[in-house]
Amino acid sequence: EDKVVQSPLSLVVHEGDTVTLNCSYEVTNFRSLLWYKQEKKAPTFLFMLTSSGIEKKSGRLSSILDKKELFSILNITATQTGDSAVYLCAVVIQGAQKLVFGQGTRLTINP
Amino acid sequence: DAMVIQNPRYQVTQFGKPVTLSCSQTLNHNVMYWYQQKSSQAPKLLFHYYDKDFNNEADTPDNFQSRRPNTSFCFLDIRSPGLGDAAMYLCATSSIAGGFSTSTDTQYFGPGTRLTVL
Repeated sequence: EDKVVQSPLSLVVHEGDTVTLNCSYEVTNFRSLLWYKQEKKAPTFLFMLTSSGIEKKSGRLSSILDKKELFSILNITATQTGDSAVYLCAVVIQGAQKLVFGQGTRLTINP
Repeated sequence: DAMVIQNPRYQVTQFGKPVTLSCSQTLNHNVMYWYQQKSSQAPKLLFHYYDKDFNNEADTPDNFQSRRPNTSFCFLDIRSPGLGDAAMYLCATSSIAGGFSTSTDTQYFGPGTRLTVL
């Protein structure tokens, strides 16, 4: 069974801290890995990763994929209260046209 | 500028009373998905349409049905809602091509419909 596991499930830090969110996967036919941010509405797309070792970066957020060890990390530096959200990791299954989501990490940034 | 539109945003129904949720898209994407998301849980795929081909997930209850009359619209019908069906229902779209065009893997989500069952 295809599985995506995120850790930690919940994280509380202070504004300005750096956080690392983890996503590991076991799937039959990996195509790509996606990161989404979800506040009190639908998920919004952050990154798509397909190749190992190539960092994707957007402002204070960055992400990298390791296809040998089957995991990805999402880093957020200099966190702000607006970063508080649930961060979802999902894997695209080749040939199945669907995503398998992890449980999400609930990130809370305290001022 | 809305690309994936869901109506209504909030729906209240009574136990056992059929309800239909609507999704439309302006992206001309060939794949449309319906997810159920309960509080503090990841979205759970119910089914998706690849063009006109309907693909049901094995654990989706028979109570949930879907229709896609054309490329732009997709409906989720809940025939007899139970209390356990109260959730956020998310519609998403993507454009899947036969080749390895990785830019098509992204799914675009609508704002969701929050369903309450009384």
